[in-house]
Amino acid sequence: DAMVIQNPRYQVTQFGKPVTLSCSQTLNHNVMYWYQQKSSQAPKLLFHYYDKDFNNEADTPDNFQSRRPNTSFCFLDIRSPGLGDAAMYLCATSRERGNYEQYFGPGTRLTVT
Amino acid sequence: QKEVEQDPGPLSVPEGAIVSLNCTYSNSAFQYFMWYRQYSRKGPELLMYTYSSGNKEDGRFTAQVDKSSKYISLFIRDSQPSDSATYLCAMIVAGKSTFGDGTTLTVKP
Repeated sequence: DAMVIQNPRYQVTQFGKPVTLSCSQTLNHNVMYWYQQKSSQAPKLLFHYYDKDFNNEADTPDNFQSRRPNTSFCFLDIRSPGLGDAAMYLCATSRERGNYEQYFGPGTRLTVT
Repeated sequence: QKEVEQDPGPLSVPEGAIVSLNCTYSNSAFQYFMWYRQYSRKGPELLMYTYSSGNKEDGRFTAQVDKSSKYISLFIRDSQPSDSATYLCAMIVAGKSTFGDGTTLTVKP
């Protein structure tokens, strides 16, 4: 009974070729987050949705976009991946904004060649 | 300077040892203090949270917060090989989590 599902688990893309990562949740949580985590580093928040309200972090590059077509799904689009975008991308949910408990998916490991 | 500093690892202990994992922080506005466990190639999993100074115990795990010193700790008693993972501290203010870089723990049988 997976709660936060990410697809694919591993993604290889070419330098500059757009890529989309997918997240779905069965928890019916209002908030969905996207984090970038590089090796041996802290997860870095890219943006989050509170319902349909999109909140971008100030230092998130324009190259990263997100869509949330409904409560259950959220997508991360990387328009022109660079070598520096190779990382683990984590999706997380919480019931409400400010709720301490976040549920993470297993992550998508992105490789850029 | 980072808002959350976590003791660098890696940490290797024998099975049954008591493990101490530590973080310091600079933002006195942090409201919640959490510990996540992250197995290799998996997402973080919330272990414990607290919002006040003092100790909170859950089985073999004890979370400790000292707001006056801006210092938090996670203690693991009777450590097991299955505890081998990266442990991330995290703190919340205004609904936003700030994570430490993690400490990788290996418990050797």
